[in-house]
This record gives sequence, C-alpha cells and structure tokens, in this order.
Amino acid sequence: GEDVEQSLFLSVREGDSSVINCTYTDSSSTYLYWYKQEPGAGLQLLTYIFSNMDMKQDQRLTVLLNKKDKHLSLRIADTQTGDSAIYFCAELTGRRALTFGSGTRLQVQP
Amino acid sequence: NAGVTQTPKFRVLKTGQSMTLLCAQDMNHEYMYWYRQDPGMGLRLIHYSVGEGTTAKGEVPDGYNVSRLKKQNFLLGLESAAPSQTSVYFCASSWEYTEAFFGQGTRLTVV
Repeated sequence: GEDVEQSLFLSVREGDSSVINCTYTDSSSTYLYWYKQEPGAGLQLLTYIFSNMDMKQDQRLTVLLNKKDKHLSLRIADTQTGDSAIYFCAELTGRRALTFGSGTRLQVQP
Repeated sequence: NAGVTQTPKFRVLKTGQSMTLLCAQDMNHEYMYWYRQDPGMGLRLIHYSVGEGTTAKGEVPDGYNVSRLKKQNFLLGLESAAPSQTSVYFCASSWEYTEAFFGQGTRLTVV
C-alpha cells in the first residue's frame, strides 16, 4: 500500500539548520517531492529527487534519499523566519498519482 | 497566464445539498487531481485524471464524482453533502513526472 509519514512539528531558531524527515512505503515510487504550504495558500514545489539519486542540493535546500530504508529528508540551511510553513513530502506512485504525507509544521523562532 | 484556478473559494452548504467545484488550468497539462486537506491528515487524493475523458479513484472517493470533459477543466461534484465533507479542497495539474501546480483551495463547510 501507499503511506507517507512525517513528524507533525519542528521548532528551530533562526540561523540554525532544519531537518524534516519522511518515510514512504511504495517501492515503485519514481519521484519524491517536497512541497511548502504557507497559511491560507496552496502548495508550492520546493524541490524533488528522482528515485535513483541519493542526494540533491538546491541553494539552501538539501534532499537526502535512502531508498533501502524508504527515508527522505529535507535540510534547510540557515533557516529564516520566512521559512515558517507546513512542509509536505509526496511520492509519485506507480499509478501516477501524488500521495502526500500529513505535513510537518516548521516554526522558526527569532 | 492564470495557472490553476478554483471556483468558488468559499462555500457553505446544508446537509443533503449538492454542488460542483470547478478547476481550470491553462497550462495544457494532462494530469489533474482533486485533494482534500483536513487538519493533521495532509492531503488525501479524492479522484484524478490522466487525460481528457478519463478519471480514476483516489484514496477517499466515496461521496464524490468527477468529470473531465475538456482537457483544461476538472469538475468535482458532491451529490448529497455531509458534515464529514467539510474540508479545504485543492485542485492540481501537472505533466507526468513533473511539478504539480496547485490552486488556492476551496473552503467548504457543510452544516
């Protein structure tokens, strides 16, 4: 079956690094994504990684994929107050539909 | 270039009423999706479509119907609304394997 799990809440201080974790179960997933949702808004794609990659870096964002353990993480370097939002991981399953985790609320304290 | 547009943005329904939510995209995407978002549960897929004239069930399809008569539009219908369908509904569209673009959401309350 398809199930994507995330911790619900993370609090960090401004300037620190944030690490948001995600586990998924569908071994046929081809792409894995991180989306950001700000209050009252839809979701915006932050970054994605193809399943044959281990790591992807995009400016302050680093995505790590451990395919053996089906574990995905998003690291945000030098976290800013503007990074406060809900972060969703998602997998593109074999049936071509995006399945989302429950979201991690990131709170950045000044 | 509007992207993905959902109408209406807010709606209050009485139990048993019906309504249709409209999603329109102007990016010529093949794939379109309807999700509902409830607190602590992330986004759950209701129905999706991989092309004009096609639809498929997602995780939580019961109580909803969809149609994709035109490539740019994906309609979500509630035939007989129930309080359990109170939620925020998001539409999204994409090409296969690429970024999904989301609408701003429709906040539906069923009383």
